[in-house]
Amino acid sequence: NAGVTQTPKFRVLKTGQSMTLLCAQDMNHEYMYWYRQDPGMGLRLIHYSVGEGTTAKGEVPDGYNVSRLKKQNFLLGLESAAPSQTSVYFCASRRRGSQTEKLFFGSGTQLSVL
Amino acid sequence: EDQVTQSPEALRLQEGESSSLNCSYTVSGLRGLFWYRQDPGKGPEFLFTLYSAGEEKEKERLKATLTKKESFLHITAPKPEDSATYLCAVQARNSGYSTLTFGKGTMLLVSP
Repeated sequence: NAGVTQTPKFRVLKTGQSMTLLCAQDMNHEYMYWYRQDPGMGLRLIHYSVGEGTTAKGEVPDGYNVSRLKKQNFLLGLESAAPSQTSVYFCASRRRGSQTEKLFFGSGTQLSVL
Repeated sequence: EDQVTQSPEALRLQEGESSSLNCSYTVSGLRGLFWYRQDPGKGPEFLFTLYSAGEEKEKERLKATLTKKESFLHITAPKPEDSATYLCAVQARNSGYSTLTFGKGTMLLVSP
Protein backbone atom coordinates (compact mmCIF):
# COMPACT_ATOMS: atom_id res chain seq x y z
CA ASN A 1 0.00 0.00 0.00
CA ALA A 2 2.28 2.78 -1.28
CA GLY A 3 0.00 5.84 -0.88
CA VAL A 4 1.95 8.98 -1.84
CA THR A 5 5.53 8.44 -3.01
CA GLN A 6 8.05 11.25 -3.48
CA THR A 7 11.35 11.01 -5.33
CA PRO A 8 14.09 11.80 -4.66
CA LYS A 9 14.27 11.81 -0.85
CA PHE A 10 17.37 14.02 -0.71
CA ARG A 11 19.05 16.31 -3.21
CA VAL A 12 21.79 18.91 -3.18
CA LEU A 13 21.86 21.52 -5.94
CA LYS A 14 24.12 24.39 -6.82
CA THR A 15 22.60 27.83 -7.34
CA GLY A 16 21.19 28.09 -10.84
CA GLN A 17 20.76 24.36 -11.43
CA SER A 18 17.39 22.91 -12.29
CA MET A 19 15.59 19.83 -11.06
CA THR A 20 12.21 18.13 -10.94
CA LEU A 21 10.57 16.55 -7.91
CA LEU A 22 8.17 13.72 -8.63
CA CYS A 23 5.06 12.87 -6.64
CA ALA A 24 3.09 9.73 -7.42
CA GLN A 25 -0.10 8.54 -5.73
CA ASP A 26 -1.89 5.23 -6.18
CA MET A 27 -5.19 6.15 -4.50
CA ASN A 28 -6.87 7.59 -7.61
CA HIS A 29 -7.09 10.99 -5.91
CA GLU A 30 -8.21 13.97 -7.95
CA TYR A 31 -6.53 16.72 -5.92
CA MET A 32 -2.78 17.01 -5.42
CA TYR A 33 -0.70 19.63 -3.60
CA TRP A 34 2.91 20.70 -3.18
CA TYR A 35 3.96 22.25 0.16
CA ARG A 36 7.25 23.44 1.55
CA GLN A 37 8.18 23.25 5.23
CA ASP A 38 10.83 25.51 6.73
CA PRO A 39 12.09 25.68 10.33
CA GLY A 40 9.89 27.94 12.43
CA MET A 41 7.21 28.16 9.75
CA GLY A 42 4.09 26.22 8.99
CA LEU A 43 3.56 24.24 5.85
CA ARG A 44 3.08 26.64 2.94
CA LEU A 45 1.27 25.78 -0.25
CA ILE A 46 3.28 26.21 -3.45
CA HIS A 47 0.98 24.91 -6.20
CA TYR A 48 -1.93 22.54 -6.42
CA SER A 49 -3.95 20.64 -8.99
CA VAL A 50 -7.60 19.65 -8.99
CA GLY A 51 -7.35 17.33 -11.94
CA GLU A 52 -5.30 16.07 -14.83
CA GLY A 53 -4.07 18.94 -16.95
CA THR A 54 -5.01 21.66 -14.44
CA THR A 55 -2.78 23.51 -11.98
CA ALA A 56 -3.10 26.60 -9.79
CA LYS A 57 -0.86 28.83 -7.70
CA GLY A 58 -0.76 28.60 -3.94
CA GLU A 59 0.69 30.94 -1.33
CA VAL A 60 4.38 30.82 -2.43
CA PRO A 61 4.53 29.91 -6.15
CA ASP A 62 7.43 32.09 -7.31
CA GLY A 63 10.42 30.17 -8.67
CA TYR A 64 8.45 26.94 -9.14
CA ASN A 65 6.50 25.35 -11.95
CA VAL A 66 4.27 22.29 -11.92
CA SER A 67 2.67 19.86 -14.30
CA ARG A 68 -0.04 17.23 -13.98
CA LEU A 69 0.00 15.27 -17.23
CA LYS A 70 -1.28 12.10 -15.60
CA LYS A 71 -3.80 11.85 -12.78
CA GLN A 72 -1.45 9.90 -10.54
CA ASN A 73 1.61 12.17 -10.96
CA PHE A 74 2.32 15.76 -9.93
CA LEU A 75 5.70 17.23 -10.81
CA LEU A 76 7.36 20.23 -9.16
CA GLY A 77 10.10 21.95 -11.11
CA LEU A 78 12.78 24.42 -10.12
CA GLU A 79 14.18 26.05 -13.25
CA SER A 80 16.99 28.01 -11.58
CA ALA A 81 17.46 27.00 -7.97
CA ALA A 82 18.21 29.62 -5.31
CA PRO A 83 19.44 29.18 -1.72
CA SER A 84 16.03 30.47 -0.53
CA GLN A 85 14.53 27.29 -1.97
CA THR A 86 16.40 25.13 0.52
CA SER A 87 13.55 23.40 2.29
CA VAL A 88 11.69 20.14 2.83
CA TYR A 89 9.06 19.62 0.17
CA PHE A 90 5.92 17.60 0.77
CA CYS A 91 3.41 16.35 -1.72
CA ALA A 92 -0.13 15.59 -0.62
CA SER A 93 -3.25 14.25 -2.25
CA ARG A 94 -6.91 13.84 -1.46
CA ARG A 95 -10.03 12.61 -3.13
CA ARG A 96 -12.59 15.09 -4.41
CA GLY A 97 -15.35 13.92 -2.04
CA SER A 98 -16.45 16.53 0.51
CA GLN A 99 -14.70 19.86 0.86
CA THR A 100 -13.04 18.74 4.11
CA GLU A 101 -11.47 15.53 2.90
CA LYS A 102 -8.25 14.69 4.71
CA LEU A 103 -4.87 15.02 3.04
CA PHE A 104 -2.46 12.13 2.55
CA PHE A 105 1.17 13.23 2.59
CA GLY A 106 4.33 11.76 1.16
CA SER A 107 7.46 11.40 3.26
CA GLY A 108 9.13 14.50 1.83
CA THR A 109 12.14 15.59 -0.22
CA GLN A 110 14.94 17.41 1.57
CA LEU A 111 16.49 19.88 -0.85
CA SER A 112 19.62 21.93 -0.21
CA VAL A 113 20.67 24.67 -2.61
CA LEU A 114 24.26 25.82 -2.17
CA GLU B 1 -5.94 36.72 6.22
CA ASP B 2 -6.36 33.36 7.94
CA GLN B 3 -3.97 32.76 10.84
CA VAL B 4 -3.13 29.79 13.04
CA THR B 5 -1.00 30.08 16.19
CA GLN B 6 0.05 27.00 18.11
CA SER B 7 1.40 26.94 21.65
CA PRO B 8 3.63 25.95 23.22
CA GLU B 9 6.29 25.56 20.51
CA ALA B 10 7.71 22.61 22.41
CA LEU B 11 6.49 20.53 25.34
CA ARG B 12 8.29 17.93 27.36
CA LEU B 13 6.25 15.51 29.46
CA GLN B 14 6.95 12.53 31.61
CA GLU B 15 5.18 9.33 30.67
CA GLY B 16 1.70 9.45 32.18
CA GLU B 17 1.72 13.24 32.65
CA SER B 18 -1.39 14.59 30.91
CA SER B 19 -1.40 17.98 29.19
CA SER B 20 -2.95 20.03 26.38
CA LEU B 21 -1.75 21.67 23.19
CA ASN B 22 -3.38 24.88 22.01
CA CYS B 23 -4.31 26.06 18.52
CA SER B 24 -5.68 29.60 18.25
CA TYR B 25 -7.11 30.64 14.92
CA THR B 26 -8.64 33.52 13.03
CA VAL B 27 -10.49 32.68 9.86
CA SER B 28 -13.20 34.24 7.78
CA GLY B 29 -15.76 31.54 8.39
CA LEU B 30 -14.48 28.15 9.50
CA ARG B 31 -15.22 25.19 7.31
CA GLY B 32 -13.01 22.78 9.25
CA LEU B 33 -10.11 22.57 11.70
CA PHE B 34 -7.64 19.74 11.28
CA TRP B 35 -5.06 18.09 13.51
CA TYR B 36 -2.13 16.20 12.01
CA ARG B 37 0.74 14.33 13.62
CA GLN B 38 4.23 14.50 12.09
CA ASP B 39 7.05 12.15 13.05
CA PRO B 40 10.69 13.17 12.34
CA GLY B 41 11.58 12.65 8.70
CA LYS B 42 8.00 11.81 7.75
CA GLY B 43 5.03 13.61 6.28
CA PRO B 44 2.06 14.69 8.40
CA GLU B 45 -0.55 12.08 9.21
CA PHE B 46 -4.20 12.96 9.69
CA LEU B 47 -5.71 12.76 13.18
CA PHE B 48 -8.99 14.70 13.38
CA THR B 49 -11.33 17.13 11.68
CA LEU B 50 -13.56 19.41 13.77
CA TYR B 51 -16.33 21.45 12.21
CA SER B 52 -18.16 23.50 14.83
CA ALA B 53 -17.75 24.91 18.33
CA GLY B 54 -18.44 22.35 21.04
CA GLU B 55 -17.41 19.40 18.93
CA GLU B 56 -15.04 16.80 20.40
CA LYS B 57 -13.26 13.82 18.88
CA GLU B 58 -11.16 11.11 20.49
CA LYS B 59 -8.58 8.62 19.37
CA GLU B 60 -6.76 6.49 21.91
CA ARG B 61 -5.04 8.94 24.31
CA LEU B 62 -5.87 12.01 22.21
CA LYS B 63 -8.96 14.18 22.43
CA ALA B 64 -9.52 17.26 20.28
CA THR B 65 -11.96 20.01 21.19
CA LEU B 66 -13.09 23.17 19.39
CA THR B 67 -14.34 26.59 20.42
CA LYS B 68 -15.03 29.63 18.25
CA LYS B 69 -11.46 30.87 18.67
CA GLU B 70 -9.28 27.88 19.52
CA SER B 71 -8.84 24.15 19.57
CA PHE B 72 -7.17 22.00 22.18
CA LEU B 73 -5.50 18.64 21.75
CA HIS B 74 -5.64 16.92 25.11
CA ILE B 75 -3.17 14.10 25.69
CA THR B 76 -4.10 11.77 28.54
CA ALA B 77 -1.42 9.60 30.16
CA PRO B 78 0.97 9.98 27.21
CA LYS B 79 3.48 7.32 26.22
CA PRO B 80 6.88 7.80 24.58
CA GLU B 81 5.38 6.76 21.24
CA ASP B 82 3.19 9.88 21.36
CA SER B 83 6.34 11.96 20.83
CA ALA B 84 5.90 13.88 17.57
CA THR B 85 5.11 17.32 16.20
CA TYR B 86 1.40 18.08 16.20
CA LEU B 87 0.13 20.39 13.48
CA CYS B 88 -3.10 22.35 13.44
CA ALA B 89 -4.65 23.68 10.22
CA VAL B 90 -7.80 25.58 9.30
CA GLN B 91 -9.87 25.62 6.17
CA ALA B 92 -11.93 28.71 5.48
CA ARG B 93 -15.35 28.56 3.85
CA ASN B 94 -14.06 30.77 1.04
CA SER B 95 -10.83 28.79 0.53
CA GLY B 96 -10.15 27.86 -3.04
CA TYR B 97 -10.35 24.11 -3.55
CA SER B 98 -10.14 23.47 0.16
CA THR B 99 -6.63 24.79 0.71
CA LEU B 100 -5.43 24.82 4.32
CA THR B 101 -3.55 27.29 6.51
CA PHE B 102 -1.17 25.48 8.86
CA GLY B 103 0.29 26.50 12.20
CA LYS B 104 3.97 26.04 13.01
CA GLY B 105 3.31 23.03 15.19
CA THR B 106 4.00 21.90 18.75
CA MET B 107 6.89 19.49 19.24
CA LEU B 108 5.98 17.00 21.97
CA LEU B 109 8.57 14.84 23.71
CA VAL B 110 7.38 12.20 26.17
CA SER B 111 10.10 10.74 28.35
CA PRO B 112 9.85 7.26 29.91
